[in-house]
Amino acid sequence: DAGVIQSPRHEVTEMGQEVTLRCKPISGHDYLFWYRQTMMRGLELLIYFNNNVPIDDSGMPEDRFSAKMPNASFSTLKIQPSEPRDSAVYFCASSFRDWRAGSSYNEQFFGPGTRLTVL
Amino acid sequence: SQKIEQNSEALNIQEGKTATLTCNYTNYSPAYLQWYRQDPGRGPVFLLLIRENEKEKRKERLKVTFDTTLKQSLFHITASQPADSATYLCALDRSQGTDKLIFGTGTRLQVFP
Repeated sequence: DAGVIQSPRHEVTEMGQEVTLRCKPISGHDYLFWYRQTMMRGLELLIYFNNNVPIDDSGMPEDRFSAKMPNASFSTLKIQPSEPRDSAVYFCASSFRDWRAGSSYNEQFFGPGTRLTVL
Repeated sequence: SQKIEQNSEALNIQEGKTATLTCNYTNYSPAYLQWYRQDPGRGPVFLLLIRENEKEKRKERLKVTFDTTLKQSLFHITASQPADSATYLCALDRSQGTDKLIFGTGTRLQVFP
């Protein structure tokens, strides 16, 4: 498996523009997570999905951020309009919970990230 | 509020020595704790998971301890190598047994030959 795939790897845009980040999770994984990493705040969970359904979006900073997962192999994180303070590295991660094992298996596999710069 | 603290200062050690990294948390009763490694320009990579009822876990040169009374986890790398140089993040489930993780800010480890 190629691992979690994210695109683009780098994005430079101007304030006010719409930005769409894309993620392809590992095949067979039923959880997908979007994180944001900055020097000041570290790695923060924005939203996560289970079986394509958003479970918790309490980390989404404001209404300018939205995320979708139309199917098991694709998710997007959209920022509209973008602002300079949104500049960060955005990571997508996926995981698989083996319910048959009788306990959770929570290792998360991270993608390479998208470095977003909003000018 | 929930809080995780890791050594904010970089840890510099000599090759062959044991590196010990600390993760302290407050206002939590996590079901498990995880350690990740992050190299510059890359996403975190999972290393170890330890559950609340486990005191210690080992994997090759890595050892993790979990003291729920002290609210602390220690991460040890024995016989450290320059290739171990990276930032190490600890993470806990945000609420008991869920998949929501809260990450510490990480400790940068530098191993010198």
